[in-house]
Amino acid sequence: DGGITQSPKYLFRKEGQNVTLSCEQNLNHDAMYWYRQDPGQGLRLIYYSQIVNDFQKGDIAEGYSVSREKKESFPLTVTSAQKNPTAFYLCASDRVGTGELFFGEGSRLTVL
Amino acid sequence: DAKTTQPPSMDCAEGRAANLPCNHSTISGNEYVYWYRQIHSQGPQYIIHGLKNNETNEMASLIITEDRKSSTLILPHATLRDTAVYYCIVRVARPWETSGSRLTFGEGTQLTVNP
Repeated sequence: DGGITQSPKYLFRKEGQNVTLSCEQNLNHDAMYWYRQDPGQGLRLIYYSQIVNDFQKGDIAEGYSVSREKKESFPLTVTSAQKNPTAFYLCASDRVGTGELFFGEGSRLTVL
Repeated sequence: DAKTTQPPSMDCAEGRAANLPCNHSTISGNEYVYWYRQIHSQGPQYIIHGLKNNETNEMASLIITEDRKSSTLILPHATLRDTAVYYCIVRVARPWETSGSRLTFGEGTQLTVNP
């Protein structure tokens, strides 16, 4: 079945460590997105990518980095520069311009 | 993109219709209304979208007022599994652009369906 796979589902990290969250899709979508969600809040856009080898900053990109070397993959690195990294991270994809996003199940990051 | 206003919470009895309102008084003529929902600790799910005509699919109906300043998402026979946060989003659809969807999610409406 087509869909988006995020891993790991739960991740713990010590302060000062970088962590990478994986996002893979087999929907043949061109566009991919990373959102962050804090408890009781809506989603905020971190980065998005329209095409391989290109990506754009969203509203809260500081402390995060991404790459888009393959159409199917859009990993997110949470760097030590991100001051409040504990959050629920959601990856999504769609055909460019449709607005019909497909989301993964999310990765919950906790900084100890 | 236009800002939306939704009530923070609503309740509905199981089997009854759930009517979720959304105000978007600053909507522009080329902006679409999208609805998503998020069940606790899961990724959001696309429900429906429309421009000015009412829309219906297997999940819900979307009623947009004639002046387009508000809309209502209708779940005709709510079930316990419809308990979720519902997001109303207004976004320009520019298929000739390559800037992507950039959907902006607010805090939505927590719908609780009661037995």
